[in-house]
Amino acid sequence: GNSVTQMEGPVTLSEEAFLTINCTYTATGYPSLFWYVQYPGEGLQLLLKATKADDKGSNKGFEATYRKETTSFHLEKGSVQVSDSAVYFCALSRGSQGNLIFGKGTKLSVKP
Amino acid sequence: KAGVTQTPRYLIKTRGQQVTLSCSPISGHRSVSWYQQTPGQGLQFLFEYFSETQRNKGNFPGRFSGRQFSNSRSEMNVSTLELGDSALYLCASSFRGPQPQHFGDGTRLSIL
Repeated sequence: GNSVTQMEGPVTLSEEAFLTINCTYTATGYPSLFWYVQYPGEGLQLLLKATKADDKGSNKGFEATYRKETTSFHLEKGSVQVSDSAVYFCALSRGSQGNLIFGKGTKLSVKP
Repeated sequence: KAGVTQTPRYLIKTRGQQVTLSCSPISGHRSVSWYQQTPGQGLQFLFEYFSETQRNKGNFPGRFSGRQFSNSRSEMNVSTLELGDSALYLCASSFRGPQPQHFGDGTRLSIL
């Protein structure tokens, strides 16, 4: 079946450090891939997405590239800020009517 | 543009009771999806409604049901509540297909 696996947290970094959160997926066909972010007490916000192989999604300094050969969609940011502290979810969907299938989430804490 | 609105934000119920949660999508959005978020199971898809019809359903028991009204507002009902139903219930809307989804801040349901 379809599934998403992302690295276990929590991840603690110092401000301005480089961030990588690994995400791999299992799916038949060609899913769309997403990163969502959840701040404390809030719902999920779409951070970025990619709909086909080799697409790069980017937003607010975050980037992720859809790698079909490695079935991966790793999230990266060159210099994190304290305000990036949140839980990050990798997700996939298949087809125009596909619901989102989420990974377990990775909690990121950024210290000043 | 107003976002997805979920009411109430917090709810406390006892085992055996039933509960109804409400979701008002972004104006113009016709697809509404519901998700359950728990620490153990993470984010799991409940169901999706489009134009008042359930279009997709997750793997939850029949105690979980929903509906959508002609103005696209949606309600979710859980009957015979169990302790394991304690969770954050998130609603998400999109224009037509389920992607990209815009999430509300959720309803926190606690079962005593």
